[in-house]
Amino acid sequence: GAGVSQSPSNKVTEKGKDVELRCDPISGHTALYWYRQSLGQGLEFLIYFQGNSAPDKSGLPSDRFSAERTGGSVSTLTIQRTQQEDSAVYLCASDLRGRGRDTQYFGPGTRLTVL
Amino acid sequence: AQTVTQSQPEMSVQEAETVTLSCTYDTSESDYYLFWYKQPPSRQMILVIRQEAYKQQNATENRFSVNFQKAAKSFSLKISDSQLGDAAMYFCAYRRGIISSGSARQLTFGSGTQLTVLP
Repeated sequence: GAGVSQSPSNKVTEKGKDVELRCDPISGHTALYWYRQSLGQGLEFLIYFQGNSAPDKSGLPSDRFSAERTGGSVSTLTIQRTQQEDSAVYLCASDLRGRGRDTQYFGPGTRLTVL
Repeated sequence: AQTVTQSQPEMSVQEAETVTLSCTYDTSESDYYLFWYKQPPSRQMILVIRQEAYKQQNATENRFSVNFQKAAKSFSLKISDSQLGDAAMYFCAYRRGIISSGSARQLTFGSGTQLTVLP
């Protein structure tokens, strides 16, 4: 009955370093989403996974961003060569089947600070 | 592309009073869903209420209700008997419903309204 979990809760890194953010969705949820929440841009969609289908990467802001989902469960968002503008809260959400009527449940987010 | 607009960056309400948060959206689709999410300082986004576009009846959840005006593309949230625990950032969000090739089911969010509840 656990909700969506994310780790780490906070991450501070130096410009140019790579970071990995983890999301563990609700058990049985086939759809998983990553969003970014920043002061200047609000809440933005990044990437969407649904079952075994190819992910929708249309929201990724640059090729420094990538994500994978292993075994249809845990997902990792990787940011290479971090920049200061990557500083934001990264939110993960999951829902049952990725249909419009399904409710997305969010994790507590990872706050990324790039120095 | 769909857009969601929240024109009130900040609102305040006296405890036990009623407050209405505004939201408008733009879409050319006929099948969609609208949501209000609450985000307290803990960062956890919590679903408050959901409305299916095909339903004429306004959704209600205890002290929370919406005024869904489909023709006007308006979706406001009314909080009755406001409580201190209602203080949070509130986001209006849109999600398309129809399955089509290449379409995703991500939420499109408004910019949020920060609600303060005064004791």
